[in-house]
Amino acid sequence: SAVISQKPSRDICQRGTSLTIQCQVDSQVTMMFWYRQQPGQSLTLIATANQGSEATYESGFVIDKFPISRPNLTFSTLTVSNMSPEDSSIYLCSVDSTLTPYGYTFGSGTRLTVV
Amino acid sequence: QKEVEQNSGPLSVPEGAIASLNCTYSDRGSQSFFWYRQYSGKSPELIMSIYSNGDKEDGRFTAQLNKASQYVSLLIRDSQPSDSATYLCAVNSNRAGNMLTFGGGTRLMVKP
Repeated sequence: SAVISQKPSRDICQRGTSLTIQCQVDSQVTMMFWYRQQPGQSLTLIATANQGSEATYESGFVIDKFPISRPNLTFSTLTVSNMSPEDSSIYLCSVDSTLTPYGYTFGSGTRLTVV
Repeated sequence: QKEVEQNSGPLSVPEGAIASLNCTYSDRGSQSFFWYRQYSGKSPELIMSIYSNGDKEDGRFTAQLNKASQYVSLLIRDSQPSDSATYLCAVNSNRAGNMLTFGGGTRLMVKP
């Protein structure tokens, strides 16, 4: 399956600032997905990133807060903007696994703490 | 009603026993079902997928699917302490983009 490199692995940020998370995939993929996992919770889909078009956001997530770029078929970024302590979570990117259709492979995650 | 439901646990089993993890889903049109294992501080790892009714075995793991009852389960035979993790059930919905919806996860503890 695809190998995903995600960075940074963790960061501690001041409230009001922004953080950009990067995901690099070792093969071309049509769709990349960004998830948030709050402490002790399951995964919540933030948005689907398609190359060449705007990302599709899930209910409760907006582009101004979580802008996404997808410049090519192997790379995507998620920015967490104007952060508050409530944004402290693990952020994960994922792609459709080529070995298991519709089963996702995840990056290693970014653990974000906002102080 | 949540789209995918799991008992949060913790489910505690002794080493060598069978661990049984259960999941129900609400979308009758769902076609693909997955089990992920997530160790604390790590990202989810896909361990099983199942698409048709019945059982699917892979090593110590068996996934069971019953679409009529909208129920999917994961059995772990000969449980080991290294199996202690949170197990996430995920269901592929019919919505565009083949998105996965995750359950809340069940924390499994295997005691030596």
